[in-house]
Amino acid sequence: RKEVEQDPGPFNVPEGATVAFNCTYSNSASQSFFWYRQDCRKEPKLLMSVYSSGNEDGRFTAQLNRASQYISLLIRDSKLSDSATYLCVVMGGASGGSYIPTFGRGTSLIVHP
Amino acid sequence: GAGVSQTPSNKVTEKGKYVELRCDPISGHTALYWYRQSLGQGPEFLIYFQGTGAADDSGLPNDRFFAVRPEGSVSTLKIQRTERGDSAVYLCASSLGRGPPLAGELFFGEGSRLTVL
Repeated sequence: RKEVEQDPGPFNVPEGATVAFNCTYSNSASQSFFWYRQDCRKEPKLLMSVYSSGNEDGRFTAQLNRASQYISLLIRDSKLSDSATYLCVVMGGASGGSYIPTFGRGTSLIVHP
Repeated sequence: GAGVSQTPSNKVTEKGKYVELRCDPISGHTALYWYRQSLGQGPEFLIYFQGTGAADDSGLPNDRFFAVRPEGSVSTLKIQRTERGDSAVYLCASSLGRGPPLAGELFFGEGSRLTVL
């Protein structure tokens, strides 16, 4: 079983739609969680951290469910510019105090007019 | 510029050749990571430096891969006897923090696209 699993999609949605992605992780000792965005042939960029209480940044809402070991990303009122791959990142819980951000394979989102 | 710089941006080489990829992290970032990314996959961890030392090299696929960071800033990823399966985008990232959550806030370079013919 992979450490971080995501549905690769693509998720094809019209402008204005609400779309949600989930990501599951296998290490129950994981401590920190993030969503990154990666545009085609570009480097990943941090979108938002995921806090235990959930957090919101404009149209984006991230939530953590430790009991079920998954995090989610909700995008409201989708824009054409939201088209990208969304990478789930999990870290912490490794031995020896070494913290390695582990990436999922990403979920592709295509927003169409 | 203030971002992570990687060179070369593209490298085409023949099977069996030696390759070096360079990463210049953001000034002041003590943590440096190398990942590689194949088409349709997420970044795969290779090696992590905290300062000059390799704190975790568990992601290096075999002994053909080696990385150094002699002065705690610029890092070089070295690949010996390249194979076609080494073809990928090699991403370097730096981070301010030693532990979470700051350590999870990675700043990536644009990557070095390696093609082994």
